Amino acid sequence: AQTVTQSQPEMSVQEAETVTLSCTYDTSENNYYLFWYKQPPSRQMILVIRQEAYKQQNATENRFSVNFQKAAKSFSLKISDSQLGDTAMYFCAFMKAGTASKLTFGTGTRLQVTL
Amino acid sequence: EAGVAQSPRYKIIEKRQSVAFWCNPISGHATLYWYQQILGQGPKLLIQFQNNGVVDDSQLPKDRFSAERLKGVDSTLKIQPAKLEDSAVYLCASSQQGAGAFFGQGTRLTVV
Repeated sequence: AQTVTQSQPEMSVQEAETVTLSCTYDTSENNYYLFWYKQPPSRQMILVIRQEAYKQQNATENRFSVNFQKAAKSFSLKISDSQLGDTAMYFCAFMKAGTASKLTFGTGTRLQVTL
Repeated sequence: EAGVAQSPRYKIIEKRQSVAFWCNPISGHATLYWYQQILGQGPKLLIQFQNNGVVDDSQLPKDRFSAERLKGVDSTLKIQPAKLEDSAVYLCASSQQGAGAFFGQGTRLTVV
């Protein structure tokens, strides 16, 4: 079974600064996908960024980028130029490649962006 | 493209009553998930469908929870009878292979 661990329950960053959220996972699979989701207080879970395990290049979506270290089973999220609207819970998630795969979540990191 | 639709947004019931939630996934998505999210925690998978077949329901409390996905499209999740500990947000999501899951807005259930 796959497990996803987020060791930072809460983090805080000032507006315009950069913050990195950590995630590690455990799997025996070689082909899989990793995701970061954002859940604002309004509670809808939003997909922020996606990484395919067979791609060495780190995924980037505007101010959001990841540092994917397959051998270390590490998948961190970097948010650059933080904005007040980035305040939310952030969940790291794992999905094995193939049809009908389960999406497994970590426990989340609460990020607060301050003035 | 329309997103995942869920209803109702909020529901308050007394313990031992029954309740049902509805989900309409993104068109063409074969996989549908129901998650339970208790305040301050990550989502916990209750049941996963592939088309209209159940792939994983290992964490579904089958003595009180049931779910179906008719014709491989819409899905309903039912709780009967509800307990206080069922108070949570119930999230529905759908996915295509490898693309990640897309979520609805969720239903906040309060059992009093």
